[in-house]
Amino acid sequence: EAGVTQFPSHSVIEKGQTVTLRCDPISGHDNLYWYRRVMGKEIKFLLHFVKESKQDESGMPNNRFLAERTGGTYSTLKVQPAELEDSGVYFCASSTGTGNTIYFGEGSWLTVV
Amino acid sequence: GQNIDQPTEMTATEGAIVQINCTYQTSGFNGLFWYQQHAGEAPTFLSYNVLDGLEEKGRFSSFLSRSKGYSYLLLKELQMKDSASYLCAVRSNAGNNRKLIWGLGTSLAVNP
Repeated sequence: EAGVTQFPSHSVIEKGQTVTLRCDPISGHDNLYWYRRVMGKEIKFLLHFVKESKQDESGMPNNRFLAERTGGTYSTLKVQPAELEDSGVYFCASSTGTGNTIYFGEGSWLTVV
Repeated sequence: GQNIDQPTEMTATEGAIVQINCTYQTSGFNGLFWYQQHAGEAPTFLSYNVLDGLEEKGRFSSFLSRSKGYSYLLLKELQMKDSASYLCAVRSNAGNNRKLIWGLGTSLAVNP
């Protein structure tokens, strides 16, 4: 069974550009989460989808970040325009209904220069 | 505020036992998770505790005391491949609020 997959694995963009990160959760997992880890800091929650609906987006830093999960399958996280402080590793995770076992992807490493 | 504390680094010897502690202060509690993460890889789920006591799973065990806001991860018969970062995370709210609050992780080095 395929795990959580994320694309791209690494991205280097200039300040002001746009980047779109993609996450494919484990098939059948209704819950999809986005987290971010900035260097030297702890992993922080960004948002949580249940199927195609945003259940909790309290962790989204500002309106430069837009997450979608059309059709309740894969999700995208767009950063537009990117700022230097957006650099970090963006993790996607998924789980079944109970959410007691949460599976993570390898992360998308974003560097804004 | 909400806070998860764990030691930054630990060192142990192959074949030995190591205990990684985690203390938490959160506005609510609905489960504590331990993850293992090798550099550049995905965090891998190790354990989930929601009730007090010890959960054993092979060489790894996890303990929880909700009254003390305390958990530990116990690794037995250490192997070189156990060198990794170990992350403690707490789900602070019940129901549909599923976000995890994370510690900074404990970097474990297993030496021969």
